[in-house]
Amino acid sequence: AQSVTQLDSHVSVSEGTPVLLRCNYSSSYSPSLFWYVQHPNKGLQLLLKYTSAATLVKGINGFEAEFKKSETSFHLTKPSAHMSDAAEYFCVVSDYGGSQGNLIFGKGTKLSVKP
Amino acid sequence: GAGVSQTPSNKVTEKGKYVELRCDPISGHTALYWYRQSLGQGPEFLIYFQGTGAADDSGLPNDRFFAVRPEGSVSTLKIQRTERGDSAVYLCASSLMWGKESGYTFGSGTRLTVV
Repeated sequence: AQSVTQLDSHVSVSEGTPVLLRCNYSSSYSPSLFWYVQHPNKGLQLLLKYTSAATLVKGINGFEAEFKKSETSFHLTKPSAHMSDAAEYFCVVSDYGGSQGNLIFGKGTKLSVKP
Repeated sequence: GAGVSQTPSNKVTEKGKYVELRCDPISGHTALYWYRQSLGQGPEFLIYFQGTGAADDSGLPNDRFFAVRPEGSVSTLKIQRTERGDSAVYLCASSLMWGKESGYTFGSGTRLTVV
């Protein structure tokens, strides 16, 4: 069965410092992996996705993530945090090779950015 | 339309009442998904449609929940005999087609409160 674990429920950084949001996944098949961001009272927005092409994936707003099969990880990073990055971030796995064509979300990591 | 539209944005109902939540996907998107996000949790899959048919409804929690998409466009999620535990944000997403490379676009959700 597919699953995703976000290792931190809350991460706090200072503006201008690096961001690291950790995610480990479990999948029976070659997974597609995503990071979504959710700002308060807004819809989920796709940051980036991995679908078996390059292992280093660049997304919007300066975010990137690296797919590491040996570690079953897909951590999200950004070199320098901005105040507008404060939001909830979800790591997501989808296993299109299985019987369910749906996205499986982690519990989320709330990112706080201090001035 | 330009995005996925969900109505109403907020719904307060009394325990035991019937509610309908509407999702208007991006024009031309054949796949449509419903998710439920409880407080402090990531979205959980409910059901998805490929065209008019429910391709996978394994996430519906019980037979009080039902969803339709009669013309392959707008979908309605129906909840009978609502319970306080049904309170959550109900998210709809659509994609061009079911599959590995398709991107999902989420609506802003309907916040359902059962009192």
